[in-house]
Amino acid sequence: GIQVEQSPPDLILQEGANSTLRCNFSDSVNNLQWFHQNPWGQLINLFYIPSGTKQNGRLSATTVATERYSLLYISSSQTTDSGVYFCAVVSRAGGTSYGKLTFGQGTILTVHP
Amino acid sequence: NAGVTQTPKFQVLKTGQSMTLQCAQDMNHEYMSWYRQDPGMGLRLIHYSVGAGITDQGEVPNGYNVSRSTTEDFPLRLLSAAPSQTSVYFCASKGLTEAFFGQGTRLTVV
Repeated sequence: GIQVEQSPPDLILQEGANSTLRCNFSDSVNNLQWFHQNPWGQLINLFYIPSGTKQNGRLSATTVATERYSLLYISSSQTTDSGVYFCAVVSRAGGTSYGKLTFGQGTILTVHP
Repeated sequence: NAGVTQTPKFQVLKTGQSMTLQCAQDMNHEYMSWYRQDPGMGLRLIHYSVGAGITDQGEVPNGYNVSRSTTEDFPLRLLSAAPSQTSVYFCASKGLTEAFFGQGTRLTVV
């Protein structure tokens, strides 16, 4: 099956710093999402981005599907950005697989005040 | 619009007990699924359904049963709980684009 690798595994920042999280995937995809898991365990949808670039406030994401990677940018980080960031993809295999999300291991982000 | 609703949020079971985790969505999505999250292992797919009456196994199906009698509901059953099933469980619902997750159920089996 498709493999998803995220880097770095851990990231520690001071408030106000910028960061880039990376997601590599091993096969063609027709769905890619970024999630933030907050300290209470909730999975928050950040971006649905199978290709192209999107921005939402201080966060933006870019997926280059032909090169099989996606980047999540966090600018001017805040302590509330702390948590785990997951990338999840759906392989382009089709059929009943259209909803099967495969998750990366996540990046644990800690933002200190 | 509630999205995806899971109950309960927390549960402690004794080994061998059975229980059902409930999941309901109000987005009229055909695709629903259950994941478990264990430390250091990300989320892994247990079972999924592409519509009422249709279910299939995911990556880690052993010890779990599912059924889908309506579009809205997709319960997950543990018939005989084992300590290895201690985990956080998430239900997801997906339409043509993005998936949405419930708030999770933290299950401890002692």
